[in-house]
Amino acid sequence: EAGVAQSPRYKIIEKRQSVAFWCNPISGHATLYWYQQILGQGPKLLIQFQNNGVVDDSQLPKDRFSAERLKGVDSTLKIQPAKLEDSAVYLCASSPGGNQPQHFGDGTRLSIL
Amino acid sequence: GEDVEQSLFLSVREGDSSVINCTYTDSSSTYLYWYKQEPGAGLQLLTYIFSNMDMKQDQRLTVLLNKKDKHLSLRIADTQTGDSAIYFCAEAYNNNDMRFGAGTRLTVKP
Repeated sequence: EAGVAQSPRYKIIEKRQSVAFWCNPISGHATLYWYQQILGQGPKLLIQFQNNGVVDDSQLPKDRFSAERLKGVDSTLKIQPAKLEDSAVYLCASSPGGNQPQHFGDGTRLSIL
Repeated sequence: GEDVEQSLFLSVREGDSSVINCTYTDSSSTYLYWYKQEPGAGLQLLTYIFSNMDMKQDQRLTVLLNKKDKHLSLRIADTQTGDSAIYFCAEAYNNNDMRFGAGTRLTVKP
């Protein structure tokens, strides 16, 4: 079974620029999550999708972050404009739904100059 | 507010047992998880326990849950150098949202 795929693996941009991350979940997984992991900390949930609907985006900084999962499979997370404090690893996870465990991709490491 | 707390560092000798501790605060948590993160990688699910259980064993891994004290531990028997990594404790709440601790960096010395 293929795991959660994320791209790119690394991204370096200057502050105030825009950036987008892509995630392809495990086949058949209805639920998809985006997390932000700042160096030295645990992952923090940004948004949860159930199929193509948003379940929880209470911790997503909506003034600059947006995410979509239009067809209920792949998802993109965008930051516009980026700030220095957005430097982090952005992790995508998926699960079949319900109380099933989440499985993580390898993440995208974002550096803001 | 709710928080998941772990000690930041643990160092053991190869062949010894490792015990990583975690406390959580949300008594409505349904499942509690242990994930492993190696450098440059995502989180690998190690094991998890339902909140109405008090122990789960899976090969070298033993999870103990004390729901009264909201304390979770992960014991790794016969720790190997390949076990060196960061271990995250996490609790599931609401719609299977997860709250993570800051991680415990395990160093295994030969």
